[in-house]
Amino acid sequence: GENVEQHPSTLSVQEGDSAVIKCTYSDSASNYFPWYKQELGKGPQLIIDIRSNVGEKKDQRIAVTLNKTAKHFSLHITETQPEDSAVYFCAASPPPGNTGKLIFGQGTTLQVKP
Amino acid sequence: DAGVIQSPRHEVTEMGQEVTLRCKPISGHNSLFWYRQTMMRGLELLIYFNNNVPIDDSGMPEDRFSAKMPNASFSTLKIQPSEPRDSAVYFCASSSGDREDQYFGPGTRLLVL
Repeated sequence: GENVEQHPSTLSVQEGDSAVIKCTYSDSASNYFPWYKQELGKGPQLIIDIRSNVGEKKDQRIAVTLNKTAKHFSLHITETQPEDSAVYFCAASPPPGNTGKLIFGQGTTLQVKP
Repeated sequence: DAGVIQSPRHEVTEMGQEVTLRCKPISGHNSLFWYRQTMMRGLELLIYFNNNVPIDDSGMPEDRFSAKMPNASFSTLKIQPSEPRDSAVYFCASSSGDREDQYFGPGTRLLVL
């Protein structure tokens, strides 16, 4: 079955710097890759996603890139702010499709220092 | 929309007791997922339903765990008997049938003494 590896497990950056989190997946048939942000005491919240027919997607300060050949995708946060501090999870949606099942990475704890 | 609703938010119980966690998905969503989150194992999918039917329960740790979805607006996850190693945060999430993005509830923090 699908397996998702996420790195790094922790990341500390200075406010205003960029942060990059990387994930690899094993099933080449996976076609949907969301990123979730989890703040302390809350459930994960979807922040951005990308499908296998797209190489890059941006939404203000966040962007996601996908390399299908290498089977990896990355989250980029620019101009980081203290409120970006949270745990970030990547995920992949393996076939068969339309059931919505997601396989999550282990999570990255991002700390943005003011 | 109120989002995914879970109850209780916190549960403290003693080993051997039965625990029932409840979830109300977002109206109109027809897929429902139960996850368990721990420091050691991260976010694990336990079971998911599509149109109230269990599709994959391979993540359910053992027979002490059971889940039901009697209708489109309600699901339960039951642990009987509970053990200290079941202590975790349990999340419920829902999604619409033709989209994979899942919406998570606030979670139930379970502590088994």
